[in-house]
Amino acid sequence: DQQVKQNSPSLSVQEGRISILNCDYTNSMFDYFLWYKKYPAEGPTFLISISSIKDKNEDGRFTVFLNKSAKHLSLHIVPSQPGDSAVYFCAAGGSFSGGYQKVTFGTGTKLQVIP
Amino acid sequence: ETGVTQTPRHLVMGMTNKKSLKCEQHLGHNAMYWYKQSAKKPLELMFVYNFKEQTENNSVPSRFSPECPNSSHLFLHLHTLQPEDSALYLCASSQRGSASGANVLTFGAGSRLTVL
Repeated sequence: DQQVKQNSPSLSVQEGRISILNCDYTNSMFDYFLWYKKYPAEGPTFLISISSIKDKNEDGRFTVFLNKSAKHLSLHIVPSQPGDSAVYFCAAGGSFSGGYQKVTFGTGTKLQVIP
Repeated sequence: ETGVTQTPRHLVMGMTNKKSLKCEQHLGHNAMYWYKQSAKKPLELMFVYNFKEQTENNSVPSRFSPECPNSSHLFLHLHTLQPEDSALYLCASSQRGSASGANVLTFGAGSRLTVL
């Protein structure tokens, strides 16, 4: 059972326009949601997170929106730049257990920003 | 060296071989993880070590054997693997804080494993 879903495997956007990456989840007990970015031949790197008690978090060009009633979150990148081309993973963190917070990942969305 | 370092970056092995993947973190974190990334699948959590103690074994077959000798080093010993075990194996670390706040993982670049 996949608790975090990214239904779009790929997305192409023109440079300067907005990129919107979507993520759906099924477990209402998730406390935090995170986005990671992955370039080829590198590991995923943390991008931005949002607490389940918030509906928006912004960091520069990146904004994450959370709609708890719809169990949906999205990452907006404005303006999109060619260097943003990467695979973006949505992740969700549950409660602490055994001394750590378990993080569940989606399958990723490959973003291509066209110059 | 900084961050999380994984070696080797690429590994090709036969089904009867024994090999090991190594992970080292220079961040002072106290939790380390092994994840498996297969094509078109989510990152799958395999093992978690917290303060050198294994706290999670996510129903991983015994042909994968983790070892955490200290909080900076993590190994994944591989024995009699199957071709379907071919994947990218990612090591990560995090700092266990209070029971609040997002658990932000720092990943290594991964070890690309091919089982023939």
